[in-house]
Amino acid sequence: DGGITQSPKYLFRKEGQNVTLSCEQNLNHDAMYWYRQDPGQGLRLIYYSQIVNDFQKGDIAEGYSVSREKKESFPLTVTSAQKNPTAFYLCASSSINEQYFGPGTRLTVT
Amino acid sequence: GQQVMQIPQYQHVQEGEDFTTYCNSSTTLSNIQWYKQRPGGHPVFLIQLVKSGEVKKQKRLTFQFGEAKKNSSLHITATQTTDVGTYFCAGLGDRDDKIIFGKGTRLHILP
Repeated sequence: DGGITQSPKYLFRKEGQNVTLSCEQNLNHDAMYWYRQDPGQGLRLIYYSQIVNDFQKGDIAEGYSVSREKKESFPLTVTSAQKNPTAFYLCASSSINEQYFGPGTRLTVT
Repeated sequence: GQQVMQIPQYQHVQEGEDFTTYCNSSTTLSNIQWYKQRPGGHPVFLIQLVKSGEVKKQKRLTFQFGEAKKNSSLHITATQTTDVGTYFCAGLGDRDDKIIFGKGTRLHILP
């Protein structure tokens, strides 16, 4: 079954803790992306990676970090420096023609 | 930097009425993509337009790419309750290596 998986679907954390969101794809895509979506809002790009061992900051990278050690995996760490971490986080990978999105992780930080 | 504006932000229509959402880029795009996100779901790819003036149809959905490759529209004919969701356009700039999403148009269908 090809696609993108994100886990967990829901995540709850206390303020001040770092948390890592998982994103795995078996589509053999080189490019992967992390977006943040707030209620009623569009998608804002956090980080993206066009190839293994390389990644670039998106529009709202502050307070986040990523790694791309394997083609299949692009984990996102939400650090305690991120001031408003509660949001819906979407991972995507892309072919030339389209982006495939994972089911997302809803992170709540209290 | 490149910006992609989408209007309207919200649209309520009676079932059976038509619906259109518009997308405008501050820079020329090499392609534009459209996505649909159902409530509680994730964005799903609908279509990609590449050529200037291109028009593509998918059943009741008609997608257009402007002649200047800076704007696009999605038109739904005779809306149905299954059309409910948020429609996003996403553009890849001529000189960019990342896709920029519009803020989306949320479509609500009144029965």
